[in-house]
Amino acid sequence: DGGITQSPKYLFRKEGQNVTLSCEQNLNHDAMYWYRQDPGQGLRLIYYSQIVNDFQKGDIAEGYSVSREKKESFPLTVTSAQKNPTAFYLCASSIDGGSWQPQHFGDGTRLSIL
Amino acid sequence: AQSVAQPEDQVNVAEGNPLTVKCTYSVSGNPYLFWYVQYPNRGLQFLLKYITGDNLVKGSYGFEAEFNKSQTSFHLKKPSALVSDSALYFCAVRDINYGQNFVFGPGTRLSVLP
Repeated sequence: DGGITQSPKYLFRKEGQNVTLSCEQNLNHDAMYWYRQDPGQGLRLIYYSQIVNDFQKGDIAEGYSVSREKKESFPLTVTSAQKNPTAFYLCASSIDGGSWQPQHFGDGTRLSIL
Repeated sequence: AQSVAQPEDQVNVAEGNPLTVKCTYSVSGNPYLFWYVQYPNRGLQFLLKYITGDNLVKGSYGFEAEFNKSQTSFHLKKPSALVSDSALYFCAVRDINYGQNFVFGPGTRLSVLP
């Protein structure tokens, strides 16, 4: 079945450590997104990519980094500069950057601090 | 700038009764509007969208939504609620003149009581 796979489902970070969240899609979608979800705040956009080897900062990019070397993959690194990383992270994709296409979501990674 | 409001944090309804989850939006141009549902520890699932045309949009699982341009609203409705409809519901908007970003509301938790 086509879809988006996020791994791991749960992740723990130590002080000063960078961690990388994986996002893989087999939907042949061009556009991919990373969101952060905190209780009562909805989803906030971290980074997005419309095409391979190109990505743009979202509303809360500080302390995060991404790469888009392959169409299927859009990993997110949470760096030690992100002082409050505890959250539920969601990856999404859409067919292209066209405005009316809905997004498809993975099942998320829950990141906590040790 | 785009924004989405979901004025109710929580909606409680008895099984078999009609349900409404409210959403209002603000955009500078014409909106593309979406509803998503999220079950615990899962990603968001697309329910329905409004692009253009009929103001009443039908979607998955018996849900529908009514677009009201004068009131800038896009309320989600279902004629007869099921216990299994209990979940977190998100409204999202995309301004076709604004670019790639979706803006999500804070979410409304729906509880359907047996």
